[in-house]
Amino acid sequence: EVQLVESGGGLIQPGGSLRLSCAASGLTVSSSYISWVRQAPGQGLEWVSVHYSGGSAYYADSVKGRFTISTDNSKNTLYLQMNSLRPEDTAVYYCARNRNGYSLFDYWGQGTLVTVSS
Amino acid sequence: DIQMTQSPSSLSASVGDRVTITCQASQDIRNFLNWYQQKPGKAPKLLIYDASNLETGVPSRFSGSGSATDFTFTISSLQPEDIATYYCQQYDNLPPTFGPGTKVDIK
Repeated sequence: EVQLVESGGGLIQPGGSLRLSCAASGLTVSSSYISWVRQAPGQGLEWVSVHYSGGSAYYADSVKGRFTISTDNSKNTLYLQMNSLRPEDTAVYYCARNRNGYSLFDYWGQGTLVTVSS
Repeated sequence: DIQMTQSPSSLSASVGDRVTITCQASQDIRNFLNWYQQKPGKAPKLLIYDASNLETGVPSRFSGSGSATDFTFTISSLQPEDIATYYCQQYDNLPPTFGPGTKVDIK
């Protein structure tokens, strides 16, 4: 059974940095496609980025140049490094598996809340 | 980016009613359309993929149809546990994009 567990959220000032973690079981992060999807309070879902097996990544324009995906294969964990945070980045961040490499999200974590505020 | 719209934005129906939600894409997305259910405080759950395929374990009262730009999601007989917000999502093109959601509650 696939399980994804996010952590690392919290309150951060504008301009600050935060690193989110997505610990996986039931799949191998290095050979999987896994996305980050966020949801601002009371709002809809917004796709943020995807990690491709092989190590490359793709980002939404709203976070390109500020957010970076990385992995620790020994911990089977995916990270989202978020720099130059803005108030509009405030959201619950979910990691989700891309089934068969497509943006069809079949397993989701429980989410972690990031609040960007002074 | 492909824009997704949904209607209605919210609806109220009685237990046992048939509920229909529509989703429209700003361009042809073939059948690369998924439907998710999200209950308050929870992660989204995949219900329907590729426009009309029921995800394993999802009750058969849920169904989807459509292709190209126009899609429909149906709950054949609304149950109390179906109270949630429902989102469509396209994955024909990157970035994947979601509709704004339809909030369903019980009358």
